[in-house]
Amino acid sequence: RKEVEQDPGPFNVPEGATVAFNCTYSNSASQSFFWYRQDCRKEPKLLMSVYSSGNEDGRFTAQLNRASQYISLLIRDSKLSDSATYLCVVNHQGSARQLTFGSGTQLTVLP
Amino acid sequence: NAGVTQTPKFRVLKTGQSMTLLCAQDMNHEYMYWYRQDPGMGLRLIHYSVGEGTTAKGEVPDGYNVSRLKKQNFLLGLESAAPSQTSVYFCASSSAPYEQYFGPGTRLTVT
Repeated sequence: RKEVEQDPGPFNVPEGATVAFNCTYSNSASQSFFWYRQDCRKEPKLLMSVYSSGNEDGRFTAQLNRASQYISLLIRDSKLSDSATYLCVVNHQGSARQLTFGSGTQLTVLP
Repeated sequence: NAGVTQTPKFRVLKTGQSMTLLCAQDMNHEYMYWYRQDPGMGLRLIHYSVGEGTTAKGEVPDGYNVSRLKKQNFLLGLESAAPSQTSVYFCASSSAPYEQYFGPGTRLTVT
């Protein structure tokens, strides 16, 4: 079983739609959670951290459910520029700032 | 600032050849990482460094060696390349907790 599992998609949605991605992690000792974004043939970049109480950054909302070991990302009012792969990322080592990456969920926003 | 740079961007090797990938960062970060990214596998940590002169193994270290003689540089070596090492290699650095800055990647093909 992978440590971080995501639905690979692809998710194809029209502009303006709301789309949600889910992620599960297997290590209950995981401490920190993030969503990274990776554009095609580019490097990953931090999109947002995920806090226990849930957090929002503009059109993006991240939620964490520690009991179910589940993380979600909601994108409202999708833009063409949101087309990318979204990586769910977890830290469980607690040292050296090591991160474990999911394999990503591909999103295409259609005009 | 250039951020994180990687050299070369592309390389084709024959089985058994050796090469070194260079990563450089100008952000004065203590932590540096080497990942490989394969389709469906996500990013996997090869080796990492918590400071100048230190290195440690990650999830998939076999067949690779690293060195960090200067704080700003992290080198990844392949002593005898194998087709299984065909991948995209990303270097990253970090200072702020868990936000890693990635280089643009090196696409390596081993024939």
